[in-house]
Amino acid sequence: GNSVTQMEGPVTLSEEAFLTINCTYTATGYPSLFWYVQYPGEGLQLLLKATKADDKGSNKGFEATYRKETTSFHLEKGSVQVSDSAVYFCALSASWGKLQFGAGTQVVVTP
Amino acid sequence: DSGVTQTPKHLITATGQRVTLRCSPRSGDLSVYWYQQSLDQGLQFLIQYYNGEERAKGNILERFSAQQFPDLHSELNLSSLELGDSALYFCASSEGPQNTEAFFGQGTRLTVV
Repeated sequence: GNSVTQMEGPVTLSEEAFLTINCTYTATGYPSLFWYVQYPGEGLQLLLKATKADDKGSNKGFEATYRKETTSFHLEKGSVQVSDSAVYFCALSASWGKLQFGAGTQVVVTP
Repeated sequence: DSGVTQTPKHLITATGQRVTLRCSPRSGDLSVYWYQQSLDQGLQFLIQYYNGEERAKGNILERFSAQQFPDLHSELNLSSLELGDSALYFCASSEGPQNTEAFFGQGTRLTVV
């Protein structure tokens, strides 16, 4: 079946550091890939998405490229802020819209 | 604000009881999804409705059921509750039957005591 694996957290960084969160997936066919972010006490917000191989999703300084050859969709940001502290979820959608999520990675950014 | 409204925000109930969680999708969205978020299982897809019809089913227990009404709001019914059902339940909505972008509500935190 389909699955998403992302690096375990927490990831602790200083402000302005570079952030990478690794995400790999297993799926049949050609899934769409997503990164969602969950701030404390809130629901999930779509951060970015990519619907086909080599697509790059970007938003708010975050980027991720859909790599079919390595089945990966790693999230990157060049310079994090304290306000980026949250839990980040990688997800795929392969059939009928349901999302399959990774376990989530908590990111803590310190001043 | 995602435009998806879930009520109630918090619910505390006893084992064996039955509760109903409600979700109003974003205006214009025809698909509603329910997810369960727990510490041990992470985020699990439960069920999807599209324009009133069940579209996809995930790891939803037989004690749980859902429906989508003609006005497109949805309800998730949880019965014979157990301690392990304590979790955050999210509703999400999207425009069509296949998710290109789903918008999530703030969730209902269910505590079973």
